[in-house]
Amino acid sequence: EPEVTQTPSHQVTQMGQEVILRCVPISNHLYFYWYRQILGQKVEFLVSFYNNEISEKSEIFDDQFSVERPDGSNFTLKIRSTKLEDSAMYFCASREKVFYGYTFGSGTRLTVV
Amino acid sequence: GQQLNQSPQSMFIQEGEDVSMNCTSSSIFNTWLWYKQEPGEGPVLLIALYKAGELTSNGRLTAQFGITRKDSFLNISASIPSDVGIYFCAGQTGNNNNDMRFGAGTRLTVKP
Repeated sequence: EPEVTQTPSHQVTQMGQEVILRCVPISNHLYFYWYRQILGQKVEFLVSFYNNEISEKSEIFDDQFSVERPDGSNFTLKIRSTKLEDSAMYFCASREKVFYGYTFGSGTRLTVV
Repeated sequence: GQQLNQSPQSMFIQEGEDVSMNCTSSSIFNTWLWYKQEPGEGPVLLIALYKAGELTSNGRLTAQFGITRKDSFLNISASIPSDVGIYFCAGQTGNNNNDMRFGAGTRLTVKP
């Protein structure tokens, strides 16, 4: 079964450093998303991406965040200057068409120290 | 934004018991979805509901899309230990972005 692949599975970074979280969505999917989940809390929407541009972003997704689809397969989330409160699981998701359920990756656990 | 209220927050049940959890919202949704998340994994789609009043089953799982389009429930019958996990409802408004919003989750523990 097709999968959404995320790397790395765990990243530890120092506060103030830049991190890039990588995702390879399912190949025929057109809609891409990033969500985050702080430990023990609910899954929160960050950003959606379609047709090579951001279609919606939440209030969490401030100027420190950016997304890119640099080629036909990767979808990245960059945090420019990490803060302690950015520590969370970050999930990438994709789907083929609107109204379809999303397929999530296994997540990247980001720890900011 | 669209707020989803999911309850209960947690459940401790005996193997074999039936389970029911629900989500409500003050907003209307065009799609309701139920996901299960196990430790260290991303959410996995269990059931998707696309029409008000729709009742859909997936094995021992049954979910319904409320007539008002503001609520949904998930039932699990004859629970087994591998049902353990966090169950999230999610709603989509059906606007151009169709982005999901999640409920806070129901943590299910099944005692053998």
